[in-house]
Amino acid sequence: LAKTTQPISMDSYEGQEVNITCSHNNIATNDYITWYQQFPSQGPRFIIQGYKTKVTNEVASLFIPADRKSSTLSLPRVSLSDTAVYYCLVVSMDSNYQLIWGAGTKLIIKP
Amino acid sequence: AAGVIQSPRHLIKEKRETATLKCYPIPRHDTVYWYQQGPGQDPQFLISFYEKMQSDKGSIPDRFSAQQFSDYHSELNMSSLELGDSALYFCASSLGTAEGMNTEAFFGQGTRLTVV
Repeated sequence: LAKTTQPISMDSYEGQEVNITCSHNNIATNDYITWYQQFPSQGPRFIIQGYKTKVTNEVASLFIPADRKSSTLSLPRVSLSDTAVYYCLVVSMDSNYQLIWGAGTKLIIKP
Repeated sequence: AAGVIQSPRHLIKEKRETATLKCYPIPRHDTVYWYQQGPGQDPQFLISFYEKMQSDKGSIPDRFSAQQFSDYHSELNMSSLELGDSALYFCASSLGTAEGMNTEAFFGQGTRLTVV
């Protein structure tokens, strides 16, 4: 399964757009990219998932370039409640959704 | 909407004791996953079940076992507990497909196990 690399931590301010980039150089053809959010002592929560180009839902956008070796999670107009750890995972369509977690990005939103 | 239910939420056990963690997936979800998350650590995949059969195995110690029952709930049995087993244990569920490609996984609130 592809290993991911993302920044250990990021800071931003309320109302700003936050972009978290994840590298997955060894991504395979049957892999897709998934992002989870986790608050302290809570279970991870699914944010968004994509295979290529751009995916948007009510909470975030996911940008994936043509080579798929990286992806960027974009959170529009963040608020204090978006302070959490964000995990980028590459999941194989063949893996029965076994999620291999790397070190997430601790995002701190300041007032 | 119904979510993944885990019980108990907190559990304190002594070394060498046994513990049983329960997970009730979202209705109609047929796949259950177990994860262990130590303090300040990332979640580690333990084991998963699809249609009551083990589908994947991760870093689950031999002292642990798990199963999925006919009503799709799952139990993680942990024996000969060690101090290092203290962690948050998350269960997640999803709706699997015959081709093995599952939809997103929904996580429960976790069981915090403390071994003293």
